[in-house]
Amino acid sequence: DIQMTQSPSSLSASVGDSVTITCRASQSISSSLNWYQQKPGKAPKLLIYAASSLQSAVPSRFSGSGSGTVFILTIIGLQPEDFATYYCQQSYSTLYTFGQGTKLEV
Amino acid sequence: QLQLQESGPGLVKPSETLSLSCTVAGGSISSSSHYWGWIRQPPGKGLEWIGSIHYSGSTQYNPSLKSRVTISVDTSKNQFSLKLSSVTAADTAVYYCARVISGWSYLDFWGQGTLVTVSS
Repeated sequence: DIQMTQSPSSLSASVGDSVTITCRASQSISSSLNWYQQKPGKAPKLLIYAASSLQSAVPSRFSGSGSGTVFILTIIGLQPEDFATYYCQQSYSTLYTFGQGTKLEV
Repeated sequence: QLQLQESGPGLVKPSETLSLSCTVAGGSISSSSHYWGWIRQPPGKGLEWIGSIHYSGSTQYNPSLKSRVTISVDTSKNQFSLKLSSVTAADTAVYYCARVISGWSYLDFWGQGTLVTVSS
């Protein structure tokens, strides 16, 4: 299995701040990396696919970068609705695996 | 706008079989460009991939669950289903269905999720 490790596990920030979340794969996964946002009691929402492609209707303050084994989700200018848990997911192997999540808190 | 909706019992007894369905509205399940998947999330924990199916019937399963999982599709009802046998308390989770884009394999539409509790 390809293991996905996110850091940090939790992150405190304020409205207007910029933050980065890192996701590391246990082996190279090319650009097969997706990012999701999950709010309490809700299903995950796709933000970024193929490492850096912004999903339709997702604000441009979200961006993704990286390839191989290290990937970064960046949020520039945090808004109140951005405080949530973020997950990365690799789709390089048919056994899709998720990171453990990063909780972004005020 | 595509919508997915999970349905099924919210309580299952240990050793029995968990059965859920996902109804797809606003689009056809018979699309060659998509797979249809199941994901679960134990309370307070992270996401675990269960498996997926193509309308043609082709399936992929998480090896850790493969011996207990069956995913099927009913194109006439625009539905796909999950069966998980011999459940234990460790299978208690919110179960989500989702659409998977072929190729890059990202999950672009999700159901709202349904909590299934395994308890006697």
